[in-house]
Amino acid sequence: AQKITQTQPGMFVQEKEAVTLDCTYDTSDPSYGLFWYKQPSSGEMIFLIYQGSYDQQNATEGRYSLNFQKARKSANLVISASQLGDSAMYFCAMREGLGDYKLSFGAGTTVTVRA
Amino acid sequence: DAGVTQSPTHLIKTRGQQVTLRCSPKSGHDTVSWYQQALGQGPQFIFQYYEEEERQRGNFPDRFSGHQFPNYSSELNVNALLLGDSALYLCASSDSLFNYGYTFGSGTRLTVV
Repeated sequence: AQKITQTQPGMFVQEKEAVTLDCTYDTSDPSYGLFWYKQPSSGEMIFLIYQGSYDQQNATEGRYSLNFQKARKSANLVISASQLGDSAMYFCAMREGLGDYKLSFGAGTTVTVRA
Repeated sequence: DAGVTQSPTHLIKTRGQQVTLRCSPKSGHDTVSWYQQALGQGPQFIFQYYEEEERQRGNFPDRFSGHQFPNYSSELNVNALLLGDSALYLCASSDSLFNYGYTFGSGTRLTVV
C-alpha cells in the first residue's frame, strides 16, 4: 500500500501568490514524522519543514507552513508569497516509528511559478 | 560547513558491469542512507549504515551492497547492472541522536546502456 500520496502531478502558481501542495499518508504507528523536501533540477533534496505526530501546533518555517490534520492523515504544504526560485519538484515523506529509519516518499508535485 | 558530497556526479556503465558510488556525510553526521530515484518518481530507500553496519535495508536485491568507513563515509556498490538500475542515486546523512535532520547530497546520475 502507498504510504504517501501526492495527487497533484503539476501546479502553476503566479508569483507572489500562495500555493498548497497536498499530501496524505497512511500509517498505523502512533509515532511518525512528516517531511517536505524541495528538489530543483540540480537534483539535491532540500529540507523544508518537519511535523512530528505528537506536535500540537502546525510547523512553520519562513514562507513554508504545514497544515497538519491528523484525523484526516493529511499534511499539506503551503508556500506563501511564491517566488520564481520556488519552481521545483516537491516531495512529501514520512518516517514511521522509533525503530524505522527510512523515509517513504510520495511521487512528488512539480511547481512552476509564473512571473 | 560542507554538506553531503557525492561522487561521481554522472556515470555511464554497460549492462552487466559493476559500479561504486561514494558519499561523504555532512560534518557531525554519523549515519548514511542511500536512495534510488528513477526518473519522474520519488526516492526509494536502499539501506542505511550506522557504526559501519547495515542497520536497515529496503526492498532491493543483493546486487546492491554498501559499506561505511570509520570516518563515516560510505560506498554503494551495484553488481551485474541492469538497464533498470538507471537512476539518480541520493545519499543522505544524519546524526544518530534524532534522525529527522536528513541532509541529502546532489546525487549521482547513473545511466546503464
